[in-house]
Amino acid sequence: NAGVTQTPKFQVLKTGQSMTLQCAQDMNHNSMYWYRQDPGMGLRLIYYSASEGTTDKGEVPNGYNVSRLNKREFSLRLESAAPSQTSVYFCASSKGVGNQPQHFGDGTRLSIL
Amino acid sequence: ILNVEQSPQSLHVQEGDSTNFTCSFPSSNFYALHWYRWETAKSPEALFVMTLNGDEKKKGRISATLNTKEGYSYLYIKGSQPEDSATYLCAFGDYKLSFGAGTTVTVRA
Repeated sequence: NAGVTQTPKFQVLKTGQSMTLQCAQDMNHNSMYWYRQDPGMGLRLIYYSASEGTTDKGEVPNGYNVSRLNKREFSLRLESAAPSQTSVYFCASSKGVGNQPQHFGDGTRLSIL
Repeated sequence: ILNVEQSPQSLHVQEGDSTNFTCSFPSSNFYALHWYRWETAKSPEALFVMTLNGDEKKKGRISATLNTKEGYSYLYIKGSQPEDSATYLCAFGDYKLSFGAGTTVTVRA
C-alpha cells in the first residue's frame, strides 16, 4: 500500500546544479501538488496539477518547473539550484482539488551548498 | 496568498487532560478548511475536511468545529494521550491551499 512515493529522500547539490524530484501515486488521484516546508513556516505550495495535462503555479513557483508525466507521476525540477531552495519538499495527491483531503509523501530533504 | 493563522504555536498538556486550539482564516469566499496531523519523522495525515458553516467532525478523541462567518475553526483533543503529540496543521482554500504554521502539541505522561 504505497500511497505517495517520493524519490530521492535526501540530496545534496551544489549551487547551479540541476535536479528533478520524482513523485508517484498509486491511488488513481486526479490532483497532485508540490510543497516546500521551511522552519517556522507552513507548507507553501510551489505548483499543482488539478488533473492530468494541466499544471498551475502556487505561492512560490520561481526557480521551479513541473511536469505531469501521466496521471500517476508529477515531477519537480530545479534548473539551477540556489541556497534559498534548501528545504524539505513534499508531494501530495488528492481525488480532486479543494474539498478533498490530500495524501502526502514522506518528503525529500534537499540541501544546496 | 491567504493569511491562515494558528494559535497557540505550541502547547503542553498533561496526559488525560483535554485541550483545544484555533485556526483563523479569511471569512470571505470560503471553500474548504482542512486539518492535518503531522507526527515527527512522518508526513502530514489528513484528519478532516470541512466545507459547511457549523460543521462538526469527529475522529476518535479528536473533533473540530467550523465557523465560516467569523473565520475560525477549533480542534479539540479529549483525554490527551502521548500518541496525540504532533503538530496540527490547518489549511484553507480551493485549488490552492494555504497552510498555517501549525500548533505543536506535547502530551506529558
